[in-house]
Amino acid sequence: KNEVEQSPQNLTAQEGEFITINCSYSVGISALHWLQQHPGGGIVSLFMLSSGKKKHGRLIATINIQEKHSSLHITASHPRDSAVYICAVPPLSGGGADGLTFGKGTHLIIQP
Amino acid sequence: ETGVTQSPTHLIKTRGQQVTLRCSSQSGHNTVSWYQQALGQGPQFIFQYYREEENGRGNFPPRFSGLQFPNYSSELNVNALELDDSALYLCASTTSGNSGELFFGEGSRLTVL
Repeated sequence: KNEVEQSPQNLTAQEGEFITINCSYSVGISALHWLQQHPGGGIVSLFMLSSGKKKHGRLIATINIQEKHSSLHITASHPRDSAVYICAVPPLSGGGADGLTFGKGTHLIIQP
Repeated sequence: ETGVTQSPTHLIKTRGQQVTLRCSSQSGHNTVSWYQQALGQGPQFIFQYYREEENGRGNFPPRFSGLQFPNYSSELNVNALELDDSALYLCASTTSGNSGELFFGEGSRLTVL
């Protein structure tokens, strides 16, 4: 089973700051998901990436397959970015036997 | 808006009771997976259905069971509820197994008293 570690666990920053959340995993994967969960529970998929970098608005996700590491960056952070950010990886076999393995999440608070 | 709807959003049950949670996915999403998320934890995989058959299961006892229907809806059933079953239950659907983009519902928050 893949081990997924996220850091930091908690992050409080001021509005406008550049935010970086890190995710590392123990076994090679085909793709990695970055997810956002707001209070109340619903999860939104932000990115699915298998190499390089993806950008959507103020969010940027990068992955280094060789180093088994991915980062999620938020530029010009805003209080509405406050949420839990979770990285998740698919099972090693690519099939459904284990489902996704999730990190424990990074609880981000952006203060005005 | 993910196009995935879960019901009910909140419910309270007592120990020993049974519960059915429902998930309605987007048309064409033939893979649905269910996750349990305890407070302060990441989601844990319960099981996955592909074209109405279970094709993967996590470390959950048999009292957790499911169904998937041809209309892209699915159910999670939990029998003999225990206090530790209190959690947020999430369903996620996709067209491409675990390698495709996932669409999550808002979750059903179950409290067992």
